[in-house]
Parts: sequence; C-alpha cells; structure tokens
Amino acid sequence: DIQMTQSPSALSASVGDRVTITCRASQSISTWLAWYQQKPGKAPNLLISKASTLQSGVPSRFSGSGSGTEFTLTISSLQPDDFATYYCQHYNGYPRTFGQGTKLDIK
Amino acid sequence: QVHLEQSGAEIKKPGTSVKVSCKAFGYTFTDFVMTWVRQAPGQGLEWMGGISGYNGIINYAPKFQGRVTMTADTSTGTAYMELTSLTSDDTAVYYCARGYNDFFDYWGQGTLVTVSS
Repeated sequence: DIQMTQSPSALSASVGDRVTITCRASQSISTWLAWYQQKPGKAPNLLISKASTLQSGVPSRFSGSGSGTEFTLTISSLQPDDFATYYCQHYNGYPRTFGQGTKLDIK
Repeated sequence: QVHLEQSGAEIKKPGTSVKVSCKAFGYTFTDFVMTWVRQAPGQGLEWMGGISGYNGIINYAPKFQGRVTMTADTSTGTAYMELTSLTSDDTAVYYCARGYNDFFDYWGQGTLVTVSS
C-alpha cells in the first residue's frame, strides 16, 4: 500500500499568513493527488485534484504543486474561513489512502 | 445539482451488522463510482472501498475485505455499504462520496454508526 505522510500534523497561523502543507507518498504517484478541506462536523470538501488543478469555486489563494512523491498545498493569504483540517489523498492504484491530516488553527 | 443523501444514525451491538445507504441525486448514477470513507471520532479519513455504478466492479480496502459488502441499485441510484462483525473500533462517521476519476468531488452528509453494548 502507498503511505501518505503529511507535515506538519498541526499548524498555528494568523490571518494573512502564507501557509504551506507538505504531503509525501511512500512511492511515486505521478500527479494523482487530491487535497481536501474539512471543518468540524462536516464532510470533506475537494479543493485540488491532479496535484494542482483547482476545483471550481475554490478561492485562488489555494494552490497545489508537486509530482512523484512530494506535494504541497499553499494558502497564499489565510482567511478566517480557512481554519480547518486538510487531507491529501492519492489515487494511483488501490487501495486509495489519505494522509493523516493537518489541523490549521488560529495563532 | 449533485446531492448524496445518506441514511440516519445507527446504534449497534458488538458482533452485529450495519447497512448504510446513499441515494444519489442530480447526476447519472451509472457514470461514476460510489466510494465509502469512514472517520472515527477525532481521527482522519479512511478509504473503505468503492463500487462502479457502470459495471458493478468493486475495490475494497484490504483492511475491510471479508467484512464489508458494497452494492448498488442502479434503478434507484442508491449505493449501500454493509459492515459485519462490528466492534467498538467501528464507531465512526461513514461517508459516501462520488468518485470522479478517483478523487471524490461530492460527499454525503455522513452517517454516525455507534457500536456499544
């Protein structure tokens, strides 16, 4: 199975900060990677697919990059609505697996 | 618009089974995969498997193989996930999600399954 490891597991930041979350795969997954945002008590929301393709309706302050085994999710200028938990997920073969999550909270 | 409506919360005894449903609205059910993901309290997301609405092909996560059954009724656009031999470790919110090229673009609201004696 491909293991997905996110870092950091938790992050405190302020409104307006630039934030980067890293996701590493245990083997190459090309660009078959998605990012999700989840708020407490809610279902996850797809932000990015194929490592860097922003979903319709997702603000442009979110961006994704990477290929192979290392990927990043960047929020260019944190807004109050962005404080949430973020997950990466690969879809290069089965089983699909998620990273353990990165909880982003207010400093 | 696309909407996934899941069945309500369940309380189950250890050793029993649970069956969760997920009815799809707003798209052609047979064009997509329906995936199941669970989340234990305070924990991360765990992929359980998925079933193709087109041809019924199923992929299960090895962890659940032999204990989970996913089915789909194309006449009603409803997917089902049954999990047997429940233990307290199966207490979680269970989500269905539409698989679009194998990422998940629409999610149900979640179904809380509590396993307790």
